[in-house]
Amino acid sequence: DQQVKQNSPSLSVQEGRISILNCDYTNSMFDYFLWYKKYPAEGPTFLISISSIKDKNEDGRFTVFLNKSAKHLSLHIVPSQPGDSAVYFCAASLRFGNEKLTFGTGTRLTIIP
Amino acid sequence: NAGVTQTPKFQVLKTGQSMTLQCAQDMNHNSMYWYRQDPGMGLRLIYYSASEGTTDKGEVPNGYNVSRLNKREFSLRLESAAPSQTSVYFCASSLDRGSGGYTFGSGTRLTVV
Repeated sequence: DQQVKQNSPSLSVQEGRISILNCDYTNSMFDYFLWYKKYPAEGPTFLISISSIKDKNEDGRFTVFLNKSAKHLSLHIVPSQPGDSAVYFCAASLRFGNEKLTFGTGTRLTIIP
Repeated sequence: NAGVTQTPKFQVLKTGQSMTLQCAQDMNHNSMYWYRQDPGMGLRLIYYSASEGTTDKGEVPNGYNVSRLNKREFSLRLESAAPSQTSVYFCASSLDRGSGGYTFGSGTRLTVV
């Protein structure tokens, strides 16, 4: 039972354009969401997060949007750069839980120069 | 460099052999985790340790054991390796989820033949 889903295994975007990565979740008890970026042969690195009390969080070129009613979050990257080519994982953690994260299956983003 | 260190980086085992994956962090984090990454499956939690002296099962614990040796170190043991345990293993640590989530090691690529 995949509680965090990333339905697009891959995405290609031209350099300079907007990249939009999507994530859906099924557990309404999740209340904190994160995005991680992973390059080949490296561990994932934290990118941006959002609490369920917010619907948007912005950090430079990266913005995460949360739609609680739809149980959906998205990561926007504007403008996209070649160094953004990586696998992106969304993750979620439970309210009142410990720090365990449940990860999605990942989306491979390729930025085309 | 501060962070999470995993050893070894690569390992090939024969079916039935045992081995221990080592993980150490120097960030004074309380919680530590072991995940495995498989194609199309994302990152799945094997075991975690919320604090020194405590360990708990995650989503896929069968075939594994762990030891939280001290606050810094969290090891993962495969007692009798099986081909289904061929995967990339990541160790991670966290202080609290408001601090940017996990810090991951660079991974151990394990092949069981």
